[in-house]
Amino acid sequence: AQKVTQAQTEISVVEKEDVTLDCVYETRDTTYYLFWYKQPPSGELVFLIRRNSFDEQNEISGRYSWNFQKSTSSFNFTITASQVVDSAVYFCALSGTKAAGNKLTFGGGTRVLVKP
Amino acid sequence: SQTIHQWPATLVQPVGSPLSLECTVEGTSNPNLYWYRQAAGRGLQLLFYSVGIGQISSEVPQNLSASRPQDRQFILSSKKLLLSDSGFYLCAWRGSWDQPQHFGDGTRLSIL
Repeated sequence: AQKVTQAQTEISVVEKEDVTLDCVYETRDTTYYLFWYKQPPSGELVFLIRRNSFDEQNEISGRYSWNFQKSTSSFNFTITASQVVDSAVYFCALSGTKAAGNKLTFGGGTRVLVKP
Repeated sequence: SQTIHQWPATLVQPVGSPLSLECTVEGTSNPNLYWYRQAAGRGLQLLFYSVGIGQISSEVPQNLSASRPQDRQFILSSKKLLLSDSGFYLCAWRGSWDQPQHFGDGTRLSIL
């Protein structure tokens, strides 16, 4: 069975602070993909990044960066110099080759509140 | 490019009334389709998924049903809504297991 844990339910920061969201996963698949999604207050889920299990290079996209560590089964997400527009719920998700219906396994989400 | 449409955006229904939410995908064929529900302040709960026309898998026992009458059309229904059916409903599609899921804008359903 697959499992994704986002232990932080809510994080509150002041604008310009950095914030790191933790994501820990469990899977028996040797090949899998990890994803991060953003859900702003308007409700739609926006895809942010996909990472496969064979690529442990960290990735940076503007103020966003991702740290994938296979040894600790973690795929953490950092927002640098946070802005009010970063306020949202962020979901980490896992996809393995054996999931029926190609389902994604989502974590419970972390709500980020960035205060001005 | 592929797009997903979901409607209506908001819906207010009385208890005991029927429900039909529709989702369509454009620009792809034979997508995997999904219905999720999200209670206020909570995570995503997968309700149904479909890997092809007429093929529906239910993830949780409930008052709702789903149908896929056409390749890119996914419908969520209920014959009699309950108060507990309130929530935010999201439709999603996916091409294959290594691709991201793409979500519709969602329907906010309030049951009175």
